[in-house]
Amino acid sequence: EVQLVQSGVDVKKPGESLKISCKASGYIFGNYWIGWVRQMPGKGLEWMGIIYPGDSDTRYNPSFQGQVTISADMSINTAYLQWSTLKASDTAMYYCARRGGHCSGGKCYTEDNLDYWGQGTLVTVSS
Amino acid sequence: IQLTQSPSSLSASVGARVTITCRASQDIASSLAWYQQKPGKAPDLLIYAASTLQSGVPSRFSGSGSGTDFTLIISSLHPEDLATYYCQQLDSYPLTFGGGTKVEIK
Repeated sequence: EVQLVQSGVDVKKPGESLKISCKASGYIFGNYWIGWVRQMPGKGLEWMGIIYPGDSDTRYNPSFQGQVTISADMSINTAYLQWSTLKASDTAMYYCARRGGHCSGGKCYTEDNLDYWGQGTLVTVSS
Repeated sequence: IQLTQSPSSLSASVGARVTITCRASQDIASSLAWYQQKPGKAPDLLIYAASTLQSGVPSRFSGSGSGTDFTLIISSLHPEDLATYYCQQLDSYPLTFGGGTKVEIK
């Protein structure tokens, strides 16, 4: 069974750093893109970026480029989203999600969906 | 690529047919997915490739369209369909979402 389990609630002060995690299980971690989605309080979904753990190829939404860093550690099947300097406006729920795909004949292909989602990590940044 | 969903909210009776539209700012072929987000929960995938129903999703949900215009239909609204629905394009990065449609039960 595919599962994405995210780290717990974080409360930080402006200017602090933070790294949240998303641990995957039930599939070959390196074969699927895994991305991050922000949801600010009472607002819609915003796609932040995505990483292919197999070769660390990473794509960012230009709106988030330079503001966050997405990484992955294949040895522990975990993806990360980190900030070096938090702002109050980073207060939000953050979801990780796997981009669907399938492998055939030794090649893997992406599908047009985010098929599995983590439960979300609530980040609160307040002085 | 920008996605424009309409309406932004609607209220319908149990059993009603509900239609949500999503318009892309450029041709995305069939690279569109729909998600349902219930209050306080993570989104769930409903439909992908514009019209393919995700495994386990009730058949009252259907999707159609290609190019720039897409539709999500709930053929007969159930009380548990209270949620916000989002479209997402996966044709090219960044993988943008529509603004969402909040569905309430009358």
